[in-house]
Amino acid sequence: EVQLVESGGGLVQPGGSLSLSCAASGFTFSSYWMSWVRQAPGRGLEWVASINRDGSDKRYMDSVKGRFTISRDNAKNSLFLQMNSLRAEDTAVYYCGGEPRTLGYWGQGTLVTVSS
Amino acid sequence: DVVMTQSPLSLPVALGQPASISCRSSQSLVYSDGNTYLTWFQQRPGQSPRRLIFRVSNRDSGVPDRFSGSGSGTDFTLQISRVESEDVGVYYCMQGTHWPFTFGGGTKVEIK
Repeated sequence: EVQLVESGGGLVQPGGSLSLSCAASGFTFSSYWMSWVRQAPGRGLEWVASINRDGSDKRYMDSVKGRFTISRDNAKNSLFLQMNSLRAEDTAVYYCGGEPRTLGYWGQGTLVTVSS
Repeated sequence: DVVMTQSPLSLPVALGQPASISCRSSQSLVYSDGNTYLTWFQQRPGQSPRRLIFRVSNRDSGVPDRFSGSGSGTDFTLQISRVESEDVGVYYCMQGTHWPFTFGGGTKVEIK
């Protein structure tokens, strides 16, 4: 059974940093692109970033370019999202997701709150 | 960016009645590999999203056959043949053809 388990969310001040992790199991992690998708409270879904199988190709939404970095460790079946210079509008539940074109798998999400 | 427009915003439906959700894209979603990357998700209250349909009309394993997807190019539809109480939630379409990938705004399905 495919499992994606996010961790690392929490409360952070504007301008601060936070690092999210996603532990994957139940499939051959190194064979798939992976993604992060977020959902602000009471709002819709928003694709954030994706990374290819070996980490050589990374894609980001415009509003996080230069502030967020997606990475992966295939030996540890783990996906990461380093978030710097956080803004109030980054407040959301962040979901770890599978292959970005169709997003067949989702984690339970981790809440990031940016507030002073 | 490709804009995904869903309608209606809210859809009250009586139990056992059909429901239909429209999703329109600002550009064709046919990719260079010949596939059309239009996906439908269901998000029940308090839960993570769950994929229902991928590549326009392919139903995921475990998804009841009362759910069906259709369409082509820029115009797509999710249909529920007979709404059940467990279908309450928000439904989203997403295009995975053009970076950045984008979602529709969502359609809230409720029981009338």
